[in-house]
Amino acid sequence: GESVGLHLPTLSVQEGDNSIINCAYSNSASDYFIWYKQESGKGPQFIIDIRSNMDKRQGQRVTVLLNKTVKHLSLQIAATQPGDSAVYFCADSYNQGGKLIFGQGTELSVKP
Amino acid sequence: DTEVTQTPKHLVMGMTNKKSLKCEQHMGHRAMYWYKQKAKKPPELMFVYSYEKLSINESVPSRFSPECPNSSLLNLHLHALQPEDSALYLCASSHGQVNQPQHFGDGTRLSIL
Repeated sequence: GESVGLHLPTLSVQEGDNSIINCAYSNSASDYFIWYKQESGKGPQFIIDIRSNMDKRQGQRVTVLLNKTVKHLSLQIAATQPGDSAVYFCADSYNQGGKLIFGQGTELSVKP
Repeated sequence: DTEVTQTPKHLVMGMTNKKSLKCEQHMGHRAMYWYKQKAKKPPELMFVYSYEKLSINESVPSRFSPECPNSSLLNLHLHALQPEDSALYLCASSHGQVNQPQHFGDGTRLSIL
């Protein structure tokens, strides 16, 4: 079946630097993509989403980029802060009635 | 604070017990979900309800029985669980089923003795 995967399981950055978390997906029919942040002991927290008719979307300190040609998704976090330390999951959907296919997650660690 | 509330936060039960997990949202969402998450793994979809009707069952064993009493509530009834069922059980909701962000609760940490 289709799956969404991440290139790196862990990412360590210095406070104040920009972070880039990458994700690859396999289904060219996927039309909805979403990023979640999960802190220890909590549920996944919605960060940002993007539909397949867009290639870039910005939020507060975050930007999601979608490259449909190579089936790649990335999350950029500007001026990374210690509070950004968490596991980040990407997920995709392709009109499966709400079924999100999650990637394996990237653990982001921010060094002060 | 999450707008999806799950109770209890922690549950320890024996393999012969019957218990229920509860989930509540007041955002007017019409789709609700149950997920299972093992440590250091992504959430795995179990069930989807849309307009209070079960629309997706991901071949979940019958010892897990979902129920949607109304548009704000979602229950997961547990009976005769196995030790491998120990996990974090997450509830989520969304406005609609398709291409809408799902909002998660903080889960129930379930341990089966």
